[in-house]
Amino acid sequence: EIVLTQSPATLSLSPGERATLSCRASQSVSSYLAWYQQKPGQAPRLLIYDASNRATGIPARFSGSGSGTDFTLTISSLEPEDFAVYYCQQRSSWPPWTFGQGTKVEIK
Amino acid sequence: QVQLVQSGAEVKKPGASVKVSCKASGYTFTGYYMHWVRQAPGQGLEWMGWINPNSGGTNYAQRFQGRVTMTRDTSISTAYMELSRLRSDDAAVYYCARDLSPIQEQLRYYFDYWGQGTLVTVSS
Repeated sequence: EIVLTQSPATLSLSPGERATLSCRASQSVSSYLAWYQQKPGQAPRLLIYDASNRATGIPARFSGSGSGTDFTLTISSLEPEDFAVYYCQQRSSWPPWTFGQGTKVEIK
Repeated sequence: QVQLVQSGAEVKKPGASVKVSCKASGYTFTGYYMHWVRQAPGQGLEWMGWINPNSGGTNYAQRFQGRVTMTRDTSISTAYMELSRLRSDDAAVYYCARDLSPIQEQLRYYFDYWGQGTLVTVSS
């Protein structure tokens, strides 16, 4: 099973700042990685798939990069609604499809 | 607009079964795979399996094999997930989630629309 390790566990930033979140895979997942945003009491929301493709309706301030084992989600300028937990997910190696443990982006 | 509406919260005893429903609207139900993902309290996400609403075919994560059954009723655009022999560590929010790509294309295993979640509590 591929393990996804996200860092940092918590990121404390102010609105308008740039957020950089990391996801590292225990073995290569090629570009088969997604990012999701989850707010308290809500379901996850797909942001990025195949490492760098924004999902429908996702603002351009969200971008993804990386391949192999190292991936990054960047939020160029944090909006108040962006404070949430972010998960990465791989769909490269079966079974099963795995998620990271999450990074919480909180208001500083 | 695409909507997935799940059934309400459940409280079950250890050893019992639970069946969660997921009613789809706003798109062709038989046109997209449906996945089930769960999230234990304060924990991360865990993929459980998928169902092809068109054929009824299923594929389950190995750790749930023998305990989970995914079905569908195309006449009411509803998918179901039943988990049996419940244990305390099955307490979680269970989500249905649609696959990103239409069935005629390759399964993507990315989830673009999610239900609101169903809380399952397991307690004696």
